[in-house]
Amino acid sequence: DIQMTQSPSSLSASVGDRVSISCRATQSIRTYLSWYQQKPGKAPKLLIYAASSLQTGVPSRFSAIGSETEFILTISDLQPEDFATYYCQQTLTTPRTFGQGTKLEI
Amino acid sequence: EVQLVESGGGLVQPGRSLRLSCTVSGFNFGDYIMAWVRQAPGKGLEWVGFIRSKNYGGTREYAASVKGRFTISRDDSKSIAYLHMTSLKTEDTAVYYCTRETYNIRRSDYWGQGTLVTVSS
Repeated sequence: DIQMTQSPSSLSASVGDRVSISCRATQSIRTYLSWYQQKPGKAPKLLIYAASSLQTGVPSRFSAIGSETEFILTISDLQPEDFATYYCQQTLTTPRTFGQGTKLEI
Repeated sequence: EVQLVESGGGLVQPGRSLRLSCTVSGFNFGDYIMAWVRQAPGKGLEWVGFIRSKNYGGTREYAASVKGRFTISRDDSKSIAYLHMTSLKTEDTAVYYCTRETYNIRRSDYWGQGTLVTVSS
């Protein structure tokens, strides 16, 4: 199975900051990588697919790059609603696997 | 409007069975992979499995942790996906989400609100 490792596990930031979250795969997943945002008590929400494509309706302050085994999600100009937990997921093979999550806190 | 609504969660004793349903609307159900993802209390997301559409053979894939105990099925005439869980263990306690996964540029773009399954004596 492909393992996905996110870093950091938690991150403190302030409104207006720019932050980045890393996701690493144990083998090449080309660009079969999605990023999700989850708020407490809510379902995950797709932010980014195919490693760098912004899902419709997601603000442009979210961006992502990467391929093969290294991926980064960046949030510019943090807004209060961005404080949440973020997950990466590989969709190259089954089992689909998620990173352990990164909690973004004020 | 795309909607996925899970139902069927609740409290169940270890070793027993439970069936979850995911009723969808707003898209052509038969064109999509339907997947299940779970989240234990205070933990991260865990992919459970999925079922492909009939024109891709309707085949199923499962996580090792549930293989042989859980079965995913679909009724395209009713636009419902099912997760049949047997031999439940306390570690299966989680919120279960259904999602639709697209074939091209694979991604889970819509999720249900989740249904809580608690396995406890």
